[in-house]
Amino acid sequence: KQEVTQIPAALSVPEGENLVLNCSFTDSAIYNLQWFRQDPGKGLTSLLLIQSSQREQTSGRLNASLDKSSGRSTLYIAASQPGDSATYLCVPRRGGTSYGKLTFGQGTILTVHP
Amino acid sequence: DVKVTQSSRYLVKRTGEKVFLECVQDMDHENMFWYRQDPGLGLRLIYFSYDVKMKEKGDIPEGYSVSREKKERFSLILESASTNQTSMYLCATTRQGGTQYFGPGTRLLVL
Repeated sequence: KQEVTQIPAALSVPEGENLVLNCSFTDSAIYNLQWFRQDPGKGLTSLLLIQSSQREQTSGRLNASLDKSSGRSTLYIAASQPGDSATYLCVPRRGGTSYGKLTFGQGTILTVHP
Repeated sequence: DVKVTQSSRYLVKRTGEKVFLECVQDMDHENMFWYRQDPGLGLRLIYFSYDVKMKEKGDIPEGYSVSREKKERFSLILESASTNQTSMYLCATTRQGGTQYFGPGTRLLVL
């Protein structure tokens, strides 16, 4: 059974810092991996999707890397802003009929203060 | 633009009532899912569907049922609501191999 661990559990930083959020997963036989953010009381917003054949994916100030063989992914946030404050979730996914059965970790709660 | 909508943002029901939560997507995705989210437990899968009229149990299906009569609509039914079903309910959709999209969530309170 897939287990997902995200470190740190919580992070509080001043605006402008570059951040690294870490994710590790136990079952490396994944199809892809998706990073989400969740604002309090809201649904999840997709940030990046990395296919298992890719090493990284970039969108604006966000960069996600994937090391499938070691079961690790990293989300890098450049020049953090208060609007980045949210919970960040890393979700590795298997293929086939298990594709949508996501396993969530507890996430990293990020607070960026002005 | 991708759109997943849920019928209610907030809902208050009484113990024993039958509760319907509805999710609608406009992306023609085959796969739809219902999760619940609770503090300290994260998101847990209740039921999912790979096609119309098809459904499979997730990790915590007890006390719930689902209906998928049309591709764009996936309903979660609480047959007899109980206080331990007070939670945030999230619907999601995906095409096989693609990004998963979530609805805004329904916060249900069972009194």
